[in-house]
Amino acid sequence: KQEVTQIPAALSVPEGENLVLNCSFTDSAIYNLQWFRQDPGKGLTSLLLIQSSQREQTSGRLNASLDKSSGRSTLYIAASQPGDSATYLCAAPKTSYDKVIFGPGTSLSVIP
Amino acid sequence: DAGVTQSPTHLIKTRGQQVTLRCSPKSGHDTVSWYQQALGQGPQFIFQYYEEEERQRGNFPDRFSGHQFPNYSSELNVNALLLGDSALYLCASSLGDEQYFGPGTRLTVT
Repeated sequence: KQEVTQIPAALSVPEGENLVLNCSFTDSAIYNLQWFRQDPGKGLTSLLLIQSSQREQTSGRLNASLDKSSGRSTLYIAASQPGDSATYLCAAPKTSYDKVIFGPGTSLSVIP
Repeated sequence: DAGVTQSPTHLIKTRGQQVTLRCSPKSGHDTVSWYQQALGQGPQFIFQYYEEEERQRGNFPDRFSGHQFPNYSSELNVNALLLGDSALYLCASSLGDEQYFGPGTRLTVT
């Protein structure tokens, strides 16, 4: 049974700092790894999707890496801004149609 | 493209009642998944519909049921509501790997 954990649970940083969010999964036989952002009381916005054959993906100030052998993914946010404040979730399905198991999320607060 | 839409936005029900939530997928998407998200937790998978059939199901009781229509839109029904059913209900659609989420329906059971 796939279990996904995220560390830290909450993070508060001053504006401009670079930061790393961590995601761990117990079953390395994943199909892909997806990072999402969620603003309070809202739906999820997809940020980055890494296929199981890939090592990383980049979008603007965001970079996500994937190490299947160790069951880990990291989301790197460069030059953080107050608008980055949100909860960040990762998800790791085992097949293209498998139920998606989410981590509990990391709540990020970027202080101006 | 309107993306994934859900209705209603908010809903208040009494214990024991029944509720129906609705989801319209992103244009061209044929797969719809439903999630329950309690406050402060990650979304929990309820079930997934593809070609009008339930393809996968999470650990939710039979009180939770669903339907997918020929136009790929979907409904989530919850019977005999409990206080613990209070949550944000999210719908996601996909065509392939990436899931696109709707804004959610906030259900409060009193």
